[in-house]
Amino acid sequence: DAGITQSPRHKVTETGTPVTLRCHQTENHRYMYWYRQDPGHGLRLIHYSYGVKDTDKGEVSDGYSVSRSKTEDFLLTLESATSSQTSVYFCAISGGLASNTGELFFGEGSRLTVL
Amino acid sequence: DAKTTQPTSMDCAEGRAANLPCNHSTISGNEYVYWYRQIHSQGPQYIIHGLKNNETNEMASLIITEDRKSSTLILPHATLRDTAVYYCIVRVVSNFGNEKLTFGTGTRLTIIP
Repeated sequence: DAGITQSPRHKVTETGTPVTLRCHQTENHRYMYWYRQDPGHGLRLIHYSYGVKDTDKGEVSDGYSVSRSKTEDFLLTLESATSSQTSVYFCAISGGLASNTGELFFGEGSRLTVL
Repeated sequence: DAKTTQPTSMDCAEGRAANLPCNHSTISGNEYVYWYRQIHSQGPQYIIHGLKNNETNEMASLIITEDRKSSTLILPHATLRDTAVYYCIVRVVSNFGNEKLTFGTGTRLTIIP
C-alpha cells in the first residue's frame, strides 16, 4: 500500500472554528490532492499541489486554503468552518504521468462534522 | 477541461461481463482516460488507463473509440466484490505539467447474484 496517511480521521467541530487536515506521504510523490465527497456529488477536487509551494484550485476551493511547505505534507485548512463543509475528505498522491501508471493513491479519508 | 458523462447506475449478473460506458466528447489529444472504483467508503482504487489504444490488465479491459470521444470499461467476469461506484476521468496535463484530476459522480454498479 502507498504510504499515505490522513489526520485526524474523525473530527467534530463547531461553526466558525478553524480546522486543519493533514495529509502525509512517504512516497516522495510530486502531486498531492484534496477531494471532498458528499452524497450525490461524487468526488470533487478542492485543491491540488504539483510541488513544494506550488498549488492550484480545484472545482470547490471557496472556503479552503492549502499549504505545502515540504514534499511529504499537504495541509488543508478551513479558516472558519461552516456546516456545508461537513464531508468526508480524501487526500491523494501521484507520481504523475511520468511515473509507472500515473495512478492516484488515496488515503483512508477524514470525516469532518461541523455543528 | 474535458468532462465525462456516465450512467448513474447499472446492474450486472454475477459471472457475466460488465460493460460500463463513458462519454468524453471534448477530450483533447494529450488527455488520458482513467478508470477508478470506490467500494463503500474507502478511497478510490485505480483500475486502468489509456490514451488511444485498447488496454487490458488483470482487473479489466478498456476500449477507447477511434475518435476518443467515448470509452468502455469491461469487467470480464463480474463478481459480487465488483459492486462499487466506477469513475471515468480524463487526466488533464497543462502546459506547465500540472496534472489536474477531476472526478464526476460515477456509475454505481451492482452485481446481482
